[in-house]
Amino acid sequence: DAGVIQSPRHEVTEMGQEVTLRCKPISGHDYLFWYRQTMMRGLELLIYFNNNVPIDDSGMPEDRFSAKMPNASFSTLKIQPSEPRDSAVYFCASSIRLAGAQQYFGPGTRLTVT
Amino acid sequence: SQQGEEDPQALSIQEGENATMNCSYKTSINNLQWYRQNSGRGLVHLILIRSNEREKHSGRLRVTLDTSKKSSSLLITASRAADTASYFCATEHREGSNYKLTFGKGTLLTVNP
Repeated sequence: DAGVIQSPRHEVTEMGQEVTLRCKPISGHDYLFWYRQTMMRGLELLIYFNNNVPIDDSGMPEDRFSAKMPNASFSTLKIQPSEPRDSAVYFCASSIRLAGAQQYFGPGTRLTVT
Repeated sequence: SQQGEEDPQALSIQEGENATMNCSYKTSINNLQWYRQNSGRGLVHLILIRSNEREKHSGRLRVTLDTSKKSSSLLITASRAADTASYFCATEHREGSNYKLTFGKGTLLTVNP
């Protein structure tokens, strides 16, 4: 398996623009997670899905952030409108189950909002 | 916050030496995991230790867990330059019907050749 795939790897955009990050989880994994990593706050869980259904979105910072998982092999994280404080590395991860299982991380998308 | 805290924040050693990193947390956990992150890359799982286990080994890695002290340690023996990376502990705990994995801010390990 190719592992978790994320695109783009780097994104530079201007404040106010819409940003869409994409993720393809490992085939057969029922759980998909979106994380954000910054120096100040470390790695934060934004939202996770089970069988394409959002289960816990309590980590989504505000209404500007939305995530979807239209099928088992694809998920998006959208920021609209983007702000400079959204600059971070966004990771997607997947796992076969929630409890007692390792998570497999993608390479991340480095987002810079100017 | 359940977030684990790694100690030290940064560690610099010579190749061949052992590296020890510690993690402390605040509430009951189901298990604790250690991950590694190379610069510019995603996290890679190293080892998982369950709450009823006290020690676990994987190659040059040795993990201990003391639930009474709410702490864990990761020992890397005979370190190599390729071990240079950030190491994170992640605690899995239950919140209602959900299980959540919460990561610390990591220890940056530098192994000098």
